[in-house]
Amino acid sequence: AQKVTQTQTSISVMEKTTVTMDCVYETQDSSYFLFWYKQTASGEIVFLIRQDSYKKENATVGHYSLNFQKPKSSIGLIITATQIEDSAVYFCAMREGHYGNEKITFGAGTKLTIKP
Amino acid sequence: EAAVTQSPRNKVAVTGGKVTLSCNQTNNHNNMYWYRQDTGHGLRLIHYSYGAGSTEKGDIPDGYKASRPSQENFSLILELATPSQTSVYFCASGDGTENTEVFFGKGTRLTVV
Repeated sequence: AQKVTQTQTSISVMEKTTVTMDCVYETQDSSYFLFWYKQTASGEIVFLIRQDSYKKENATVGHYSLNFQKPKSSIGLIITATQIEDSAVYFCAMREGHYGNEKITFGAGTKLTIKP
Repeated sequence: EAAVTQSPRNKVAVTGGKVTLSCNQTNNHNNMYWYRQDTGHGLRLIHYSYGAGSTEKGDIPDGYKASRPSQENFSLILELATPSQTSVYFCASGDGTENTEVFFGKGTRLTVV
């Protein structure tokens, strides 16, 4: 069974700094897909970035990047040059790659606060 | 932009009553999902569907039923609502490709009194 764990309940950093949010996962599959989503204060949940397990390169989208450490079953989200509007709850999610699996499992989320 | 619409957005129900939460997507996506969000638990999967006519149990299906009468619509049904089902419910849709993201609705806040 797939499992996703985010141990950081909340993080607070100063604006314009870099922050890393942790996520570890459990899976028996050799192929899987990892996602990060952001939930804004309004409750809206939007996709940010994705990492395919078979890719060695860390994904990067804008000021979001991932630190994928496959041997540690870890996928950290890095936000550089943080802005006030990055304050939100961030969820890590995983989908296993075996045929017929449509389940997407989310972690408990990390609340990020950016201080001016 | 993918569109997933949930209704109602807010609902107060009485214990023992029947509640139906509706979700409509205009993306022609095969997969649809129902999650509930509670503090400390994140998003937990209740039911999901591969397409019209299919429903599958997620990680916490007890007390819930689901219905997918068409490609566009996916409902979550609480036959006998309980206060423990007070939560925020999110519907999502995805095209079924394993490495693509899902798109979420804005959520339904359900309070069972």
